[in-house]
Amino acid sequence: DGGITQSPKYLFRKEGQNVTLSCEQNLNHDAMYWYRQDPGQGLRLIYYSQIVNDFQKGDIAEGYSVSREKKESFPLTVTSAQKNPTAFYLCASNYPGQSPTGELFFGEGSRLTVL
Amino acid sequence: RKEVEQDPGPFNVPEGATVAFNCTYSNSASQSFFWYRQDCRKEPKLLMSVYSSGNEDGRFTAQLNRASQYISLLIRDSKLSDSATYLCVVRGDSSYKLIFGSGTRLLVRP
Repeated sequence: DGGITQSPKYLFRKEGQNVTLSCEQNLNHDAMYWYRQDPGQGLRLIYYSQIVNDFQKGDIAEGYSVSREKKESFPLTVTSAQKNPTAFYLCASNYPGQSPTGELFFGEGSRLTVL
Repeated sequence: RKEVEQDPGPFNVPEGATVAFNCTYSNSASQSFFWYRQDCRKEPKLLMSVYSSGNEDGRFTAQLNRASQYISLLIRDSKLSDSATYLCVVRGDSSYKLIFGSGTRLLVRP
């Protein structure tokens, strides 16, 4: 079945450590996104990528990095520079040209806790 | 002012009730509007798009008021399974940027 797979589902990290969250999709979508969700808040865009080897900063990119070497994959690295990394991270994808542009297909999320 | 604002709730209603949520957006140039549903500790899923003429999907009705810059979601005959957080989503200037509200929580009780 087509979909988006995120791993790990739960992750614990010590302060000062970098961690990489995986996101793989087999939907043949061009665009991929990373969002962060904190309790009681909406999703905030970290990074997005429209095509392979290209990506753009979202609203809260500081302390994060991404790569898009393959269409199917869009890993997110949470670096030690991210001051408050404990959150629920959601990866999503879609066809940017679909009309109306909107439906995002989400992975099940990765819950990161910094100890 | 937030770009997309929602009443956080929770709305606590009995089964069978009708409940309505509103959402306001600040960018008058916004083009597309959506309601997503998010269950506790799960990913959001598209509930319905919102069209200018309003649209209905079973027990759910979505309305758009461009003049006042708000969208609404009406749920009729509430079911226990409707308990979730409903996220208002607006497409901003860029076709790639979707702006999410913080969500309205609905609790349907027996």
